[in-house]
Amino acid sequence: DADVTQTPRNRITKTGKRIMLECSQTKGHDRMYWYRQDPGLGLRLIYYSFDVKDINKGEISDGYSVSRQAQAKFSLSLESAIPNQTALYFCATSVPGTGQETQYFGPGTRLLVL
Amino acid sequence: DQQVKQNSPSLSVQEGRISILNCDYTNSMFDYFLWYKKYPAEGPTFLISISSIKDKNEDGRFTVFLNKSAKHLSLHIVPSQPGDSAVYFCAALTQGGSEKLVFGKGTKLTVNP
Repeated sequence: DADVTQTPRNRITKTGKRIMLECSQTKGHDRMYWYRQDPGLGLRLIYYSFDVKDINKGEISDGYSVSRQAQAKFSLSLESAIPNQTALYFCATSVPGTGQETQYFGPGTRLLVL
Repeated sequence: DQQVKQNSPSLSVQEGRISILNCDYTNSMFDYFLWYKKYPAEGPTFLISISSIKDKNEDGRFTVFLNKSAKHLSLHIVPSQPGDSAVYFCAALTQGGSEKLVFGKGTKLTVNP
């Protein structure tokens, strides 16, 4: 079974709709992240959480919100989706303090906003 | 302002030859560097990393070189195999700081049989 899972894997929605992308992990990691990938732009950080009570904005947080429901769950919401939020979204987890900030990524959610 | 730059969007090499992927960074506070590989329809997976106290790290066919004075690192794959065809992302962070990874835009490597 995958250590980091994302649901849904694909989603089509309309402008103005609220949608939620979910991420679950079985790795027992405290740190979780949400990224988006756009063609030619690499991975950009949206939000991150270092533990259940910690939420931090990344470089492109406008138009998004997150919820860390438990150590294993980190959800990303688009309050009112717009077409330029069409992208590939990745959740990731990591372990701090090991000297190796390796992140483990989920398989991604492909979102299309019409 | 891009702090991690991968200036080659794509690279094509023949099977068995060496693949060299390059990455430049501008933030002198970065002290840990990673390479991730991404296949279509999958999330990125960690490949190899290097600390700023080293100038080389090797893992099988993969070697990462770091030139701190030039703020440049490179990933060498020898010999290249068709299964290495993927997008490769360079990433950097400052340990003990925010520890947020900053990614480059990626280089698509194609290894031709």
